[in-house]
Amino acid sequence: NAGVTQTPKFQVLKTGQSMTLQCAQDMNHEYMSWYRQDPGMGLRLIHYSVGAGITDQGEVPNGYNVSRSTTEDFPLRLLSAAPSQTSVYFCASSDRSQGTQYFGPGTRLLVL
Amino acid sequence: KQEVTQIPAALSVPEGENLVLNCSFTDSAIYNLQWFRQDPGKGLTSLLLIQSSQREQTSGRLNASLDKSSGRSTLYIAASQPGDSATYLCAVRHKNYGGSQGNLIFGKGTKLSVKP
Repeated sequence: NAGVTQTPKFQVLKTGQSMTLQCAQDMNHEYMSWYRQDPGMGLRLIHYSVGAGITDQGEVPNGYNVSRSTTEDFPLRLLSAAPSQTSVYFCASSDRSQGTQYFGPGTRLLVL
Repeated sequence: KQEVTQIPAALSVPEGENLVLNCSFTDSAIYNLQWFRQDPGKGLTSLLLIQSSQREQTSGRLNASLDKSSGRSTLYIAASQPGDSATYLCAVRHKNYGGSQGNLIFGKGTKLSVKP
């Protein structure tokens, strides 16, 4: 199993540009989540999904959209990038029974 | 609101020492608590998961305990090695967080440095 994969690893955007961060898992997990990690703030939940077709907002959802059309994929869209969205983004997944969360390697995003 | 605190924020120890990392949380309504390790520039690696009904979990030189009533968990590392140097994160899966079982509330971590 590849586990949780994320692309790209690093991205530079200009203010106002849009982009999609990709996340995929091959463990057939129901739950998938997006977190951002900022110095001094720790990891904060952006959006999450409890299954295909079901998504909901986390603690810091503004400026981000998600969709979950398949169990495997959970992309995160930045609609109009802002410097405040400069961060490291992590995707995670877990199954209902075990509960352990597995994290991807992260995407470093710099918005100029 | 659930808050997770980790003390100390940074710790430096000589190789071979046994050490304890602390994690506290304000609301005992949790499903489980998970300890992670994060190396610089890398993702999070799960170390141990303790369900709310459990008192401790062990994996190799690591032992994690949970006292849900007092809102505390400890991660004990025996015979520390330079390769243990990393940031250790504690996270709880809170019963009322986001209306789902799938999400975590994180502490800010303890940065551990083990010197040869």
